[in-house]
Amino acid sequence: DQQVKQNSPSLSVQEGRISILNCDYTNSMFDYFLWYKKYPAEGPTFLISISSIKDKNEDGRFTVFLNKSAKHLSLHIVPSQPGDSAVYFCAASDRQAGTALIFGKGTTLSVSS
Amino acid sequence: GAVVSQHPSRVICKSGTSVKIECRSLDFQATTMFWYRQFPKQSLMLMATSNEGSKATYEQGVEKDKFLINHASLTLSTLTVTSAHPEDSSFYICSARGGTGGGNQPQHFGDGTRLSIL
Repeated sequence: DQQVKQNSPSLSVQEGRISILNCDYTNSMFDYFLWYKKYPAEGPTFLISISSIKDKNEDGRFTVFLNKSAKHLSLHIVPSQPGDSAVYFCAASDRQAGTALIFGKGTTLSVSS
Repeated sequence: GAVVSQHPSRVICKSGTSVKIECRSLDFQATTMFWYRQFPKQSLMLMATSNEGSKATYEQGVEKDKFLINHASLTLSTLTVTSAHPEDSSFYICSARGGTGGGNQPQHFGDGTRLSIL
């Protein structure tokens, strides 16, 4: 049973527009959520995180929104750039328990110029 | 940012060979290291969690005698795939988490090892 789901395997966006990547989770014990970016043949790179006590966290062009009641989070990238093209993984963990991250399957973002 | 080095990046070997993969945290002390496996177009699946100086905790379905994990220091963990077979071919990625914040710290990942067993 997948605890972290990214239902869109791919997303195509034009340069300058907004990219919205979505993620759903099922485990109510998760209280720490992260987004990672991954290029082929490289390990995931940490992008941004959010604690369950917040509903929004912003870092430059990247904003993560958390809706706890819906068990849903999203990553907004504005404006999107061609260099943002990569696979984006949503991950979650139970911070109190210090558990490892549980990952979604990833969404491949393609930003065209 | 935190750097995690994983070596080798690619291994091709014959069936029955044992393969060792190293994971090092270069600029921080990794109290906890994790080993993941990724199949094509799939998520990163956690294999095991290791804390420095203690035995690794394996996820359900992962054979601990097959995948030997050693975390002998705060900067090095190794994964040894023993008597590897073609079905062990996969992309293996390590990650490390440091500091005293436990689950409050993000995990930092190595670049992964592509293992191909012929």
